[in-house]
Amino acid sequence: EADIYQTPRYLVIGTGKKITLECSQTMGHDKMYWYQQDPGMELHLIHYSYGVNSTEKGDLSSESTVSRIRTEHFPLTLESARPSHTSQYLCASSDPRGFQAFFGQGTRLTVV
Amino acid sequence: LAKITQPISMDSYEGQEVNITCSHNNIATNDYITWYQQFPSQGPRFIIQGYKTKVTNEVASLFIPADRKSSTLSLPRVSLSDTAVYYCLVGPILTGANNLFFGTGTRLTVIP
Repeated sequence: EADIYQTPRYLVIGTGKKITLECSQTMGHDKMYWYQQDPGMELHLIHYSYGVNSTEKGDLSSESTVSRIRTEHFPLTLESARPSHTSQYLCASSDPRGFQAFFGQGTRLTVV
Repeated sequence: LAKITQPISMDSYEGQEVNITCSHNNIATNDYITWYQQFPSQGPRFIIQGYKTKVTNEVASLFIPADRKSSTLSLPRVSLSDTAVYYCLVGPILTGANNLFFGTGTRLTVIP
């Protein structure tokens, strides 16, 4: 089983609130990713990181921000949540020796 | 990035073998082919990876012809629990490039 964890699993929050979605992995992977996925739709890469102090924007523009202060931790923050941010957010890390990614269980965010 | 084409959806009866073909005409010399499976409300899960010829594991087989312009994921004797979205990814390994791009995938529905 993959050792990558996301919290919270579900979150319902009001418009304008600041939120942080947590993602941690214990595999020592340098590369980590955040994806956004609406039900039945494609996975969209919104952020990725090559390692500590590295963050890059993905293919889909997002109002969220990320940080990578420690190898194992890659949190995603929304400064002011809006209903348009309602989605599932998936965190992943990848094996540096190959092309295998490990995904967390996801955070289903609902902004009301 | 290699342009990838795979069927949007497929249906199969339980117990049948399912073959999902992925077209990647402009695959590069150092690109590998990787397949992921995603169940609803979960993150994708690595199934199999290959470079050429045939790869088999306990879950599936991957067939790659000599020209590598396509690949076929083969699922033997599918069950209802194999209903999922299957993604074909093509990209280099052992590089620092962002290479985890998930397209639309193939939605497989297994019918009783």
